[in-house]
Amino acid sequence: NAGVTQTPKFQVLKTGQSMTLQCAQDMNHEYMSWYRQDPGMGLRLIHYSVGAGITDQGEVPNGYNVSRSTTEDFPLRLLSAAPSQTSVYFCASSQMLDPLAGYTFGSGTRLTVV
Amino acid sequence: AQTVTQSQPEMSVQEAETVTLSCTYDTSENNYYLFWYKQPPSRQMILVIRQEAYKQQNATENRFSVNFQKAAKSFSLKISDSQLGDTAMYFCAFNEGGSNYKLTFGKGTLLTVNP
Repeated sequence: NAGVTQTPKFQVLKTGQSMTLQCAQDMNHEYMSWYRQDPGMGLRLIHYSVGAGITDQGEVPNGYNVSRSTTEDFPLRLLSAAPSQTSVYFCASSQMLDPLAGYTFGSGTRLTVV
Repeated sequence: AQTVTQSQPEMSVQEAETVTLSCTYDTSENNYYLFWYKQPPSRQMILVIRQEAYKQQNATENRFSVNFQKAAKSFSLKISDSQLGDTAMYFCAFNEGGSNYKLTFGKGTLLTVNP
């Protein structure tokens, strides 16, 4: 089925470890983004991309890195995990020419940093 | 920066009754896009309903409808004939359109439908 695929679904990290959350979409969407969801905070934008080779920071970018080498993939890297990065992470994509279509979300990654 | 406010952290409703979730937003744009997303316990984000500000007519999707008040910057969601499967977190979201593709979310309202 077409959509946004996120891996892994669950991950436990030790403080200081690094890891990459994978995100891939097969809908040829130009726009891709990463959000984190914390209780009582809604979804907050970490980084986003409007096309291959173009990325920009969102509301809460510190401690995270992204790249966009292809239209399909938009990985999120945690450089040195901290307990404050314990959260649920969502990747989402959209077609820029049709903003009313909204976003398509991945199923999320629950990350725990101990 | 745009802000989206959901003033009701939690709500409950009896099965088959009607409930309204509130959402207000702040923008200086004339045309923009508003959305309600549902997040059930499965964690999946599901688009429930959408509205373009340029179109004054309120959007409707089956049992879900909105009351869009542009001057008041209000975008409330009405769920009619509530069902147990409507139990979820509901997020209001705003996109200012133009060359800005970012979606700004409210903090969410947890809706519980009681049998």
